[in-house]
Amino acid sequence: GQQLNQSPQSMFIQEGEDVSMNCTSSSIFNTWLWYKQEPGEGPVLLIALYKAGELTSNGRLTAQFGITRKDSFLNISASIPSDVGIYFCAGHTIQGGSEKLVFGKGTKLTVNP
Amino acid sequence: DSGVTQTPKHLITATGQRVTLRCSPRSGDLSVYWYQQSLDQGLQFLIQYYNGEERAKGNILERFSAQQFPDLHSELNLSSLELGDSALYFCASSVTGDTEAFFGQGTRLTVV
Repeated sequence: GQQLNQSPQSMFIQEGEDVSMNCTSSSIFNTWLWYKQEPGEGPVLLIALYKAGELTSNGRLTAQFGITRKDSFLNISASIPSDVGIYFCAGHTIQGGSEKLVFGKGTKLTVNP
Repeated sequence: DSGVTQTPKHLITATGQRVTLRCSPRSGDLSVYWYQQSLDQGLQFLIQYYNGEERAKGNILERFSAQQFPDLHSELNLSSLELGDSALYFCASSVTGDTEAFFGQGTRLTVV
């Protein structure tokens, strides 16, 4: 099946530090989406990317759709304690003749005050 | 609030039983996805519907089935439940099948 390789699996950082995480795949994706999930809640959409090379910001978050359409990264600048959560990348890709929205395994972010 | 509503929020049932999870998509969204998330795991894609028709299938067990009704709400049916089926089940919706998807709060299923 389709795999999205998301790294790192977890991060422990100090408040104020910048964070970078990424997703890669051997297949081409038509869209890249980044979500944040807090315990007991549903994933919340942070950023959506639709064009190769697209760079989009949402406050302290910046994400890019890789030029090869096989990767994406998410940066968080000046982290704060409420950034804690699991960040998932997701993408729409054609698989078995149908388009599917597949997810990476997540990056668990811990921010120490 | 994402606009996607899932009911019930929690469900506890015994092994061998059957349950139905319900999802109401955001107004105007035609596509509904179902995902399973086990403890500390990622989101496993189960199935997607678009305007009432099955569009894509993931690793959905034969004991599980879903449908999308004319009013676009969807139901996920889980039968012959096993302990390992205990998980969070999420529904998401999107306008079409290739735009951003918005998630509901999930149904936490516990099989005892």
